[in-house]
Amino acid sequence: DTGVSQNPRHKITKRGQNVTFRCDPISEHNRLYWYRQTLGQGPEFLTYFQNEAQLEKSRLLSDRFSAERPKGSFSTLEIQRTEQGDSAMYLCASSWDGQETQYFGPGTRLLVL
Amino acid sequence: KQEVTQIPAALSVPEGENLVLNCSFTDSAIYNLQWFRQDPGKGLTSLLLIQSSQREQTSGRLNASLDKSSGRSTLYIAASQPGDSATYLCAEPQTGANNLFFGTGTRLTVIP
Repeated sequence: DTGVSQNPRHKITKRGQNVTFRCDPISEHNRLYWYRQTLGQGPEFLTYFQNEAQLEKSRLLSDRFSAERPKGSFSTLEIQRTEQGDSAMYLCASSWDGQETQYFGPGTRLLVL
Repeated sequence: KQEVTQIPAALSVPEGENLVLNCSFTDSAIYNLQWFRQDPGKGLTSLLLIQSSQREQTSGRLNASLDKSSGRSTLYIAASQPGDSATYLCAEPQTGANNLFFGTGTRLTVIP
């Protein structure tokens, strides 16, 4: 297993379009996290899954954002009606119950024009 | 309000110098703290995780300490190399949640 993977790595879109990102966690990890990182800032938490259940959502996750993890494996993060303020790096991380270290993917960099 | 602060925001040192990066946190009930490295445009790589019951963790040229009473953690890098140039982030578990709460990072440049 090569770690957490994310696709696409880069996405450029026009304001108002919908975008979807995918995260494949480390195979035996049941916990999955999405974070958002803007330039010069640390990552900010968006949402957390344990298996297929979405257990926590940040207030940063507006109505235009939705995340799924249908089979408890990969996860998707969709942003509808993108805005310029959505431009950021979207990071996915995974871990296993009782394991405190989170393993991060390479991120998807979104630019909304 | 939970806060994690990293000062300075940027640091430049000549190659070979020993250096210390600082992380301050407000959650006195902290049960662990992690240090990460982030290269430009890339994801995060976990460096060290210190449990609240520990005072130090070491990995190669890196040594991280945790002092709950003062709300501080330090990352010590010995004999710095140009390859150490990156942004270093510290993070603690968000109070009452499963996710991590990050500082804003220190951008380190090691000059050959």
